[in-house]
Amino acid sequence: SQQGEEDPQALSIQEGENATMNCSYKTSINNLQWYRQNSGRGLVHLILIRSNEREKHSGRLRVTLDTSKKSSSLLITASRAADTASYFCATANTGGFKTIFGAGTRLFVKA
Amino acid sequence: DAGITQSPRHKVTETGTPVTLRCHQTENHRYMYWYRQDPGHGLRLIHYSYGVKDTDKGEVSDGYSVSRSKTEDFLLTLESATSSQTSVYFCASCPDTDTQYFGPGTRLTVL
Repeated sequence: SQQGEEDPQALSIQEGENATMNCSYKTSINNLQWYRQNSGRGLVHLILIRSNEREKHSGRLRVTLDTSKKSSSLLITASRAADTASYFCATANTGGFKTIFGAGTRLFVKA
Repeated sequence: DAGITQSPRHKVTETGTPVTLRCHQTENHRYMYWYRQDPGHGLRLIHYSYGVKDTDKGEVSDGYSVSRSKTEDFLLTLESATSSQTSVYFCASCPDTDTQYFGPGTRLTVL
């Protein structure tokens, strides 16, 4: 079964609005990562947050991690049409080599 | 996608035939992964490698085998392809257990 589960499955917003995606997971993690996938392409790493961190920023991206609730959120501020893509969270378990991906959130930003 | 390639990019084959997909990376990364991506399932880990000749199973390994004889190459073999293995296959490499770098994907159709 998937370790990470994203919510919502799909999100449609207007350009300039903020987009928030959530991820829940089940077991202890070493880190949590967010990736973006444009249609027909491979995944691209966006940001990583470690289990001892609570918030991290990168440009227009803000990621939070709540290990007590086993959840994370990805906020994209001032969305652009170019942000249209699928977004995946991925968790790396403590002491392991494997990274488990969720099913993703499809974001559509209307110009 | 820089530094990691997959071949072939597209393949159509018949049920029962053997198929080998190749992943090649030029980054000298220690870890390599094979995933399959299907609608509604996100990415599911098939096999991974944590060094030359060191491999292990992921969550959907039945019907697949892998080999890694050199740091730069990770081969995925379907010994006898079935229609349920029709999918898009992604390879990824990673210098540690954090950020993964993905290839462009291979679209495999088994008739």
